[in-house]
Parts: sequence; structure tokens; C-alpha cells
Amino acid sequence: TQLLEQSPQFLSIQEGENLTVYCNSSSVFSSLQWYRQEPGEGPVLLVTVVTGGEVKKLKRLTFQFGDARKDSSLHITAAQPGDTGLYLCAGPSSGGSNYKLTFGKGTLLTVNP
Amino acid sequence: EADIYQTPRYLVIGTGKKITLECSQTMGHDKMYWYQQDPGMELHLIHYSYGVNSTEKGDLSSESTVSRIRTEHFPLTLESARPSHTSQYLCASRATGTTGELFFGEGSRLTVL
Repeated sequence: TQLLEQSPQFLSIQEGENLTVYCNSSSVFSSLQWYRQEPGEGPVLLVTVVTGGEVKKLKRLTFQFGDARKDSSLHITAAQPGDTGLYLCAGPSSGGSNYKLTFGKGTLLTVNP
Repeated sequence: EADIYQTPRYLVIGTGKKITLECSQTMGHDKMYWYQQDPGMELHLIHYSYGVNSTEKGDLSSESTVSRIRTEHFPLTLESARPSHTSQYLCASRATGTTGELFFGEGSRLTVL
């Protein structure tokens, strides 16, 4: 089973600060996804990264896929209280059209006003 | 916007009761999944289906069962609920031929007394 380790597990910051959270594995992934989950809701996909070294931006969020496709990072600039939530990375457990997703344990982010 | 619905959102029942958690999607997705998640924690895959009449057990052993008689419907059943089944259950679906994006329902929070 391919494992995804996320760090930090918990992060509490003030509005306006920058932050980076990480998703690491000893295995190579064909792609990685980042989801955000708000309390009482299901996770929602933020981005999919496919190519090693790829950088994607979504407003104040910047996602990077490692060159070796074993790790990924999410950087948030000028965090806002609306960014509060559980950030989960996920990657396919096996190849082919019938694959499942393995999730990391997540980073619980709290942005205080 | 994803069209996947779970009912009930919240359920409190006594030990020994039979319960069914409903999940329906209107996107015509072939693949559907059930995940179990404790508050703020990682998602564990407990069941998945690749299409009608196809069901498989996931990575986390579960005493629940599922069925897939229609494409849009993927209910989960517990024949005799126990306090250890207390958790949040998330249903998700995915279309064939995508890069694996999962669309989640809002979840069913089950409490067994």
C-alpha cells in the first residue's frame, strides 16, 4: 500500500500570514490531488498535478509536484479565515482505469481573524 | 457542481439496529466509493464499485455491506449497529476516463449508543 504522509498535522495562524503544507511518500505517483474539507462537509477537489515539477496556481494557493513525483506542497499566501479546513492529499493506489485513491491524514488549518 | 446526495445527514440509533445509508448521484458516474472518516482524520476506503452489480471491499475492514443495482444508487447497510460503528461515512463517485477526481457527498454522521 502506498502511504502519503502529510505535515504538519495541525496549523494555526493569523490572517495575512503565509504557510506551506507538505505531502510526502516513498513511492512514485502518476498524479496527486489536493482536496479541502470544511467541517460537516465532504472533501472538494482543489487541484490535480500530473507532471513532475509541475506548479499550479489557484488564486492565493500554489501547488507543486516534486520532480520525482513522490511529494507535493501547497503554499497559501496571505491566508484568510475562509481558508480554514482540512487539507488532504491523495494519490492513486494502483494503475489502470479501476484505481482507488489513497488519502493522507491531512493538515487541519485554522486561520484566525 | 457535483450532484451526489447522501441521506440521512445525521443518525443516532441504539445498538443492534439495522441501518442503511443512502447515496445517489445524477452524473452517470460508473465508479462509486464509501469512505469512513473520524472527525478531522484521514479517509479510509471501505467499499467501492466499478459499475452495476460490481462491489469490492476496500482497504479498511468493515462489517457493512453495499449493493449496486442501479448506476446512480450505492447504499451501505449495517445489519446490527454497534458503538464501534460510530463515525462519518462519505460517499463519492468518479467518471470513467478522468484523472481520478472524486466528487463527494456531504456525509452521513452515524452515532450508535
